[in-house]
Amino acid sequence: SQKIEQNSEALNIQEGKTATLTCNYTNYSPAYLQWYRQDPGRGPVFLLLIRENEKEKRKERLKVTFDTTLKQSLFHITASQPADSATYLCALDGDTGGFKTIFGAGTRLFVKA
Amino acid sequence: GAGVSQSPSNKVTEKGKDVELRCDPISGHTALYWYRQRLGQGLEFLIYFQGNSAPDKSGLPSDRFSAERTGESVSTLTIQRTQQEDSAVYLCASNKRGINTGELFFGEGSRLTVL
Repeated sequence: SQKIEQNSEALNIQEGKTATLTCNYTNYSPAYLQWYRQDPGRGPVFLLLIRENEKEKRKERLKVTFDTTLKQSLFHITASQPADSATYLCALDGDTGGFKTIFGAGTRLFVKA
Repeated sequence: GAGVSQSPSNKVTEKGKDVELRCDPISGHTALYWYRQRLGQGLEFLIYFQGNSAPDKSGLPSDRFSAERTGESVSTLTIQRTQQEDSAVYLCASNKRGINTGELFFGEGSRLTVL
């Protein structure tokens, strides 16, 4: 069955460092991959989308890579700030046969001042 | 409104009662999605609408769950004979499917507690 895996353990880092979150998937051939941020008690908010033919995408302090051979995406936040503390969700979409977007369970990030 | 609106924001009900959750998507968004998020868990896909049709309802957990959409706008998720296991946040999202973007715009969710 289709599966998205994100590190269930929380990631704790010091302010100013780079946070790297991992998303692995199996039994899926997504046309694109997305990253969302979710704060407690709120709905997810879209951050970045990367297509299957793109290796890397950047937006301000965010960088996403997408390796369709390894079936993996890495999400980087450079110069992290305490305000970056949240849960980050990986989502896959565009597989043949359907339009539903499926989400990973998310990784909780804590950035300490 | 400017964003996706969901109501009620909180609902406490007794086991066995029926509940209706409402979603108002962003105007002009043809696609609408319902997800369920249990405490500390990820988003579980329930159903997807394109216009008023539901091409994918594979995620509905049982026949107690149903959803409809009218006027290519408002959607209602109905849970009949609620069980304690139905307690979760129900999230609605919308987008302009087919306009070369997959970005989903989420509401703040409806938190359902079944006693």
